[in-house]
This record gives sequence, structure tokens and C-alpha cells, in this order.
Amino acid sequence: GAGVSQTPSNKVTEKGKYVELRCDPISGHTALYWYRQSLGQGPEFLIYFQGTGAADDSGLPNDRFFAVRPEGSVSTLKIQRTERGDSAVYLCASSPVGYTEAFFGQGTRLTVV
Amino acid sequence: SQQGEEDPQALSIQEGENATMNCSYKTSINNLQWYRQNSGRGLVHLILIRSNEREKHSGRLRVTLDTSKKSSSLLITASRAADTASYFCATDDNNDMRFGAGTRLTVKP
Repeated sequence: GAGVSQTPSNKVTEKGKYVELRCDPISGHTALYWYRQSLGQGPEFLIYFQGTGAADDSGLPNDRFFAVRPEGSVSTLKIQRTERGDSAVYLCASSPVGYTEAFFGQGTRLTVV
Repeated sequence: SQQGEEDPQALSIQEGENATMNCSYKTSINNLQWYRQNSGRGLVHLILIRSNEREKHSGRLRVTLDTSKKSSSLLITASRAADTASYFCATDDNNDMRFGAGTRLTVKP
């Protein structure tokens, strides 16, 4: 597709379960970002990839959160032992190089019950 | 952590009026961007201004940057009801992007 694709669009999971959120960036974009956004708040930075490596993972809130981008394209955000406080919209964005115009996906709404 | 901080948090104006939103940030930057988010999820890039630029225009948008005050403003002229959205500034921090909490703009027809 032409844009950034995130799947699933919605995910409901039980507290304590493991979830994976997927991001398909625009082909050829080397930079990929993950954010989470709670209602009424701005996007909170989680992690930034440049190619296959995490250039900055300082926004990951704790060791339950992990993200990979093994081939420098698709990325997966993994959350272990989910908590109700993890409920948010998780946004992915990609850009041709770091810190230029970024293109966002429509997000995955995660609800932990 | 957030980097930019937008002001005001909410702004309500009549169609045809101008809307001004401000962004303040804390660390030195290379560039500053403004994004828009309609109710829903995806953010849309509006404009990027480099640290060596002071003003930039794009259609009805005018962005200024004052690096000495670590602040930027976004002006939307001749607003339309369709401009109703949240607006965020994003600053680079070691080449990643950090957003503020945003300004919620409501344009009344």
C-alpha cells in the first residue's frame, strides 16, 4: 500500500496477556517511530528505529515493552504482561530519513480489560 | 518524555478568523514540525521549519521560529470549519521526534 499500515486496528486483551502490534512502513523509509497516545494527550515517544537498529529506545516505559525491526522494514511492538494502564492508541510513523516529514498510520487501539 | 508544549490547550474561534497556536520547547533543535490530528488517529504533517529559518509559509499556514526563546507559532489564516482538529508541534531530540500535548482548535461555522 501507499501509506503506513498498522494491524490490528483494534485489540482487546485481558490483563496479564501478551500482545503484538504490527507496523508496515512506507517502502524505502529507513526511519520508523512508535508512539502511544492516551485520550486528550499528545503522542508519547516510545522508540525510534533507523534501519534495523533502535537508535533511541528511551521512551519505552519499562521492560514489559519491546520492539523489533529485524529486516529494516516491518516493525513489531511487543507488550508482555499487559496492564490496564497500557490501554491507549499505539501509533507508528515512518520517514525517508530521520527527522523529516513523517507519515503516520491510523494506529492500533489497545484496550486491556 | 514530551519535548514541546503547546499553548493554548484549547482554542475556539469563528470561521474566517485567524488562529494562533504556540509551542515552547526545552532543548536545542535542528528542526521543528507541526502536525494535525483529526478526531481519530493518524497525524498529518503540515510544515517543517529548520533551526536557521525564522518564518515559513504554506497556503494558509504561517510558522515562525524563535530559537533564542525556544518557541514557535503556527498561524492559520481565514479559518474554516474543516480546520477543527488538534495541532501538535514536534521537535527533534537526537534525531527522533517528540510531541507536545497539543492545541485543540474548534472553528465554528
